[in-house]
Amino acid sequence: NAGVMQNPRHLVRRRGQEARLRCSPMKGHSHVYWYRQLPEEGLKFMVYLQKENIIDESGMPKERFSAEFPKEGPSILRIQQVVRGDSAAYFCASSPSTGNNEKLFFGSGTQLSVL
Amino acid sequence: AQSVAQPEDQVNVAEGNPLTVKCTYSVSGNPYLFWYVQYPNRGLQFLLKYITGDNLVKGSYGFEAEFNKSQTSFHLKKPSALVSDSALYFCAVRDPGDFQKLVFGTGTRLLVSP
Repeated sequence: NAGVMQNPRHLVRRRGQEARLRCSPMKGHSHVYWYRQLPEEGLKFMVYLQKENIIDESGMPKERFSAEFPKEGPSILRIQQVVRGDSAAYFCASSPSTGNNEKLFFGSGTQLSVL
Repeated sequence: AQSVAQPEDQVNVAEGNPLTVKCTYSVSGNPYLFWYVQYPNRGLQFLLKYITGDNLVKGSYGFEAEFNKSQTSFHLKKPSALVSDSALYFCAVRDPGDFQKLVFGTGTRLLVSP
């Protein structure tokens, strides 16, 4: 059973370009979470999605950032018109259900570097 | 809103010695607490969790954590450290009133010297 798969592992973009980060959850998991890890900081929650629904996007910047989790295919985190401050590691996590004691399974992350 | 604090950026310990990584939390109700470990260039791996019951929770790789409600703490411990335990450790909390979010601390780097 493959774990949470994220690609690409490393993504380099110039300022103003678009970044697309992909996440395939573990088989059987229908809940996806995106977190951002800035240098010297912890993980910051961005968004929580279920299939075709955004459940909680309270941690996502209002502009330039969007996320989706379509019925078929991976979850996508999209950053438009990237700026240097978007450089970070972006982690996706999944879980089979939601609940107080549910643990998350994390992917290896995508390291975004904005030049 | 729920939060966790990890007061130490780094903890240094010699191999074979006991280790403690500190975590305190703040939630509005009874907390659901987690520890995760991150090795270089890897995602986070689950170590252990406290939901209810015994205050001493045992987890993976010989780690354990002690829940202390009066001190609002959930410190991670191991009786005898290994060099391979060197990694970044994150404490996390889930508020039962807002259970969809797992809120992480800033992390503590554990360095175990031979």
